[in-house]
Amino acid sequence: QKEVEQNSGPLSVPEGAIASLNCTYSDRVSQSFFWYRQYSGKSPELIMSIYSNGDKEDGRFTAQLNKASQYVSLLIRDSQPSDSATYLCAVKARSNDYKLSFGAGTTVTVRA
Amino acid sequence: GAGVSQSPSNKVTEKGKDVELRCDPISGHTALYWYRQSLGQGLEFLIYFQGNSAPDKSGLPSDRFSAERTGGSVSTLTIQRTQQEDSAVYLCASRPDLNSPLHFGNGTRLTVT
Repeated sequence: QKEVEQNSGPLSVPEGAIASLNCTYSDRVSQSFFWYRQYSGKSPELIMSIYSNGDKEDGRFTAQLNKASQYVSLLIRDSQPSDSATYLCAVKARSNDYKLSFGAGTTVTVRA
Repeated sequence: GAGVSQSPSNKVTEKGKDVELRCDPISGHTALYWYRQSLGQGLEFLIYFQGNSAPDKSGLPSDRFSAERTGGSVSTLTIQRTQQEDSAVYLCASRPDLNSPLHFGNGTRLTVT
């Protein structure tokens, strides 16, 4: 079982719709969760971090964490063509752990 | 300010040759990571450097892979006797402490023919 799993996509959504991305992780003691966006040919950049159960909103992005279900998601509201990218879920097991485990990423395409 | 710089951006090499990939982290960032990203795969952890501590090499896939970090700054990832399965994007990242996000370079795309 992979440490972090994501649907690879591609996920195609029309402009203005909500894009919903899912991520599950295997290590029950994981504490920190991150979403990175990676444009084609570019490096990953951090867009959201979440540490507690529930929702965290930042602009058009909402991260949702459910530690009991070992599940973290990312919602992109009012999707724009500029949101077309691969979204990587990353998990850190413990507060003093320096390793981030990444999922394979979900490719999102927003249709104009 | 300047971000993480990697060179070369692209490298094509013949099977069996050695290659060196370079990473120049953000000034002041004591933690440096190398990851590998293959098509359709997540980022695979290779090696971690923290200050003057012994590096965590647990992610290096074989003894053909080695890395060093000189003076706590620039790092070089060396792959000896390259194989076709080594073809991937090699990403370097740095951060000032464990509570800060990773800052990635643009990567080196390695193609072994």
